[in-house]
Amino acid sequence: EAQVTQNPRYLITVTGKKLTVTCSQNMNHEYMSWYRQDPGLGLRQIYYSMNVEVTDKGDVPEGYKVSRKEKRNFPLILESPSPNQTSLYFCASSSRNEQFFGPGTRLTVL
Amino acid sequence: SQQGEEDPQALSIQEGENATMNCSYKTSINNLQWYRQNSGRGLVHLILIRSNEREKHSGRLRVTLDTSKKSSSLLITASRAADTASYFCATDAWQGGKLIFGQGTELSVKP
Repeated sequence: EAQVTQNPRYLITVTGKKLTVTCSQNMNHEYMSWYRQDPGLGLRQIYYSMNVEVTDKGDVPEGYKVSRKEKRNFPLILESPSPNQTSLYFCASSSRNEQFFGPGTRLTVL
Repeated sequence: SQQGEEDPQALSIQEGENATMNCSYKTSINNLQWYRQNSGRGLVHLILIRSNEREKHSGRLRVTLDTSKKSSSLLITASRAADTASYFCATDAWQGGKLIFGQGTELSVKP
């Protein structure tokens, strides 16, 4: 089954404790992206990657890092999480047009 | 930056009625897509319309695109309670996969 998986689905952590949210797709897509969704602000792109070892900043990259060492994986790293990074995070992948979204990771930073 | 703006922000209708949502954008596009999101879950692609198309149908969905007005509309006919969700438009300014999403229309269909 074609899908995008994210882990964990839910995470509660404390300020400053490094965390990684994993994202994996099995559709051999070149393009992958991370979004955060906040009430009243819609979806905002954090980082995207057009292929292995090619990443670029989206609209709200501050406080986040990504890597793309393999085509299927695109982890999102928060080196020192802060409460303003409490949000619902989505990973997505696409070949050319339609984007396939993961189920989301709900992160709470205390 | 958010390019798409949906209107209305919220829409409540009765089952069987039609629901129309509008999206406006600012820059030239290659295509415009509509997505659906059930509460707290991932977005699901509904339909894509290219910049050289004016209208597209998929089941009970009808999408129009007016590039001169930089606007699109999504019509859901004969709505069902299961159509209750948030609907987002997204624009693709270049064929690289980067989409810019609007803030969505929250549709509630009452049985």
